Amino acid sequence: EDQVTQSPEALRLQEGESSSLNCSYTVSGLRGLFWYRQDPGKGPEFLFTLYSAGEEKEKERLKATLTKKESFLHITAPKPEDSATYLCAVQSGYALNFGKGTSLLVTP
Amino acid sequence: GAGVSQSPSNKVTEKGKDVELRCDPISGHTALYWYRQSLGQGLEFLIYFQGNSAPDKSGLPSDRFSAERTGGSVSTLTIQRTQQEDSAVYLCASSFGTIAKNIQYFGAGTRLSVL
Repeated sequence: EDQVTQSPEALRLQEGESSSLNCSYTVSGLRGLFWYRQDPGKGPEFLFTLYSAGEEKEKERLKATLTKKESFLHITAPKPEDSATYLCAVQSGYALNFGKGTSLLVTP
Repeated sequence: GAGVSQSPSNKVTEKGKDVELRCDPISGHTALYWYRQSLGQGLEFLIYFQGNSAPDKSGLPSDRFSAERTGGSVSTLTIQRTQQEDSAVYLCASSFGTIAKNIQYFGAGTRLSVL
């Protein structure tokens, strides 16, 4: 059975203080690992998808990396508008199997 | 273009009543998914439709839950005889449906409260 564990559950950063979010997974036949951002009262917004170990993708202050057991979402010099819940999901069949998310708060 | 549209955005109902939740996917997307997000829990897969194929209902929690997709587009999730534990945000997503590079795009969800 696929399992996705995200850590930490919550993270508070000061503006400009870089950090990383972790997503550990076990899956039989990884077809893709996905990162989404979710703001309160909204649906998840797609950020990245990674398909093989060693792959990296970047978007503004965010960079996602993938190994055979985990993925990291690195946030460089975050701003208050980066505050959100970040969700990690793995795909083995057609559906996505999500972790519980990391709630990020960036204070000015 | 327009994203995934869900209605209503909020639904309050009494225990035992039936509810219908609607999802209008992105035009051109052949795959449609329903997920449930309960407080403190991750998103839980409910059901998957792909074109005219039989749906994958493996995530439905009980026979009180059902879904249909008409004309390969709009989908309705029905919950019969609602219970308090059904209270959650119900999210719909759509994608192009290829198993490779299957990026799912989500709607804003329907927040269901069962009193």
